[in-house]
Amino acid sequence: KQEVTQIPAALSVPEGENLVLNCSFTDSAIYNLQWFRQDPGKGLTSLLLIQSSQREQTSGRLNASLDKSSGRSTLYIAASQPGDSATYLCAVEGGSYIPTFGRGTSLIVHP
Amino acid sequence: EPEVTQTPSHQVTQMGQEVILRCVPISNHLYFYWYRQILGQKVEFLVSFYNNEISEKSEIFDDQFSVERPDGSNFTLKIRSTKLEDSAMYFCASSEGSGGAWTQYFGPGTRLLVL
Repeated sequence: KQEVTQIPAALSVPEGENLVLNCSFTDSAIYNLQWFRQDPGKGLTSLLLIQSSQREQTSGRLNASLDKSSGRSTLYIAASQPGDSATYLCAVEGGSYIPTFGRGTSLIVHP
Repeated sequence: EPEVTQTPSHQVTQMGQEVILRCVPISNHLYFYWYRQILGQKVEFLVSFYNNEISEKSEIFDDQFSVERPDGSNFTLKIRSTKLEDSAMYFCASSEGSGGAWTQYFGPGTRLLVL
């Protein structure tokens, strides 16, 4: 059974810092890995999707990498801003196309 | 930009009552999903739906749950006899395709409280 772990569980940083959020998964037989953002009481917003054949994806200040063989992904946030404050979820999609989510990293960026 | 919508945003019900949660997926999407998130817990997959059939379902999706696409736009989740432990945020999602490169787009959720 796929298990997804996200570290750290919570992070509080001053504005402007570069951040690394980590995601690990136990079964490397995945189709893709997706990073989401969730604001309090709200739905999930897809940030980046990395297919199993890819090693990284970039969107603006966000860069996500995937090392399938070691079961790891990182989300890099450059020059963090208060508006980046949210919970960041990692989800891997494996057999039967059912995604498994991690618990998330709760990020606070203070001015 | 097209988005997934869900109604109601909040629902309070008594234990044992039936509830229907409604979703309008993005119009050109073909795959539909329901997830739930118990407060403070992980997002959990419930069911996927394609071509008017359930594609996959999790252990959570037992006989108390059902899904339906009653018309060309709506996608519903019915819980026949709610239990206290059904209290959660329920998210609907849709995608153009399944697996690989296809992003799932999530709705804002329905917060269900069972008393």
